[in-house]
Amino acid sequence: SQQGEEDPQALSIQEGENATMNCSYKTSINNLQWYRQNSGRGLVHLILIRSNEREKHSGRLRVTLDTSKKSSSLLITASRAADTASYFCATDWADKLIFGTGTRLQVFP
Amino acid sequence: DSGVTQTPKHLITATGQRVTLRCSPRSGDLSVYWYQQSLDQGLQFLIQYYNGEERAKGNILERFSAQQFPDLHSELNLSSLELGDSALYFCASSAGSRGNTIYFGEGSWLTVV
Repeated sequence: SQQGEEDPQALSIQEGENATMNCSYKTSINNLQWYRQNSGRGLVHLILIRSNEREKHSGRLRVTLDTSKKSSSLLITASRAADTASYFCATDWADKLIFGTGTRLQVFP
Repeated sequence: DSGVTQTPKHLITATGQRVTLRCSPRSGDLSVYWYQQSLDQGLQFLIQYYNGEERAKGNILERFSAQQFPDLHSELNLSSLELGDSALYFCASSAGSRGNTIYFGEGSWLTVV
């Protein structure tokens, strides 16, 4: 079974709005990563947050990690049409980097 | 461009056949990962090699095998292909063996007919 599960499965918003995606995982982790995938393309790394960090920022991205709840969230602020993509969380589990099910984000102009 | 090169980009083959997917990691990266992405199974981890040795194994079928060569490139061999093997196969690489950012290639689209 998947180590990570993203919620929601799909999200549609207007340009300029914020988008929040959540990831829940099952076991303790060393770090959690977020990746982005444009349709049919390779995944691109966005941000890595370590288990001893609670929040991390990168440009318009803000990631939080709550190890007590085994969950993480990715916030994209002031979204743009170019942010349309699928977003995946990934955790290292049993020496493997396991990806969640992904959130499909659609940003309408 | 991630620096990870995968060939071929597209492949159409018949059931029962065998194919080989090739991956060149980013310069200096010692780890190579293989993932399978399909609509019904999502992104599945298959196998990881680190500096020529198998490092971790995931949901890789017995009909599939992989190896990493001394020059660090890797090949994924898929045999006795079935319709359900149709998927996008990704190779990724990283500098270390775990806990790292990994860099994905653009994938090899395999269609089994």
